[in-house]
Amino acid sequence: DAGVTQSPTHLIKTRGQQVTLRCSPKSGHDTVSWYQQALGQGPQFIFQYYEEEERQRGNFPDRFSGHQFPNYSSELNVNALLLGDSALYLCASSPYFRDTYEQYFGPGTRLTVT
Amino acid sequence: QKEVEQDPGPLSVPEGAIVSLNCTYSNSAFQYFMWYRQYSRKGPELLMYTYSSGNKEDGRFTAQVDKSSKYISLFIRDSQPSDSATYLCSSGGSNYKLTFGKGTLLTVNP
Repeated sequence: DAGVTQSPTHLIKTRGQQVTLRCSPKSGHDTVSWYQQALGQGPQFIFQYYEEEERQRGNFPDRFSGHQFPNYSSELNVNALLLGDSALYLCASSPYFRDTYEQYFGPGTRLTVT
Repeated sequence: QKEVEQDPGPLSVPEGAIVSLNCTYSNSAFQYFMWYRQYSRKGPELLMYTYSSGNKEDGRFTAQVDKSSKYISLFIRDSQPSDSATYLCSSGGSNYKLTFGKGTLLTVNP
């Protein structure tokens, strides 16, 4: 059973550029959440997608946007990159049951902005 | 005040010791409590998941939640060097958004 997969593994971008990160959820999961984890910090919630719509959003600017596809995979887009966007970006998937918080994380994409 | 507070450590123990990891939270709406283990440069791995107050045991791991004091604990019995990692507590309410602590770095020495 394949777990959550993310691509690419590492990415180096320049300030002002745009980046797209990709996530495939665990088999049987239809909800995808994205988190940003700065060095030495816990993950911070960016947003969550279900049925191709953004259901919840954390305290992140509009430069962060996303998309979910009919096969439940998802993309995270970040525009006008800042040095402070350097972090590990984590995707987590879960089944859409009302009472579950069992979110399973992928290995992450490490983004470095120079 | 952060919604979930966790002592970042680091915590260093000898192999075989009982480890106690703790978090506090401030949001009374939180009903779901999770512990994740994260190895260096990897994604978090779900260890324990509990709903509301009480204890949950899984092998060498026991999770405790005390909603009256807003206290979350993870106990590891017979700790092993392979348990060396960062442990993250997280909590959530009805909106499916997880709020994490900063994580506690644990080292188990052989």
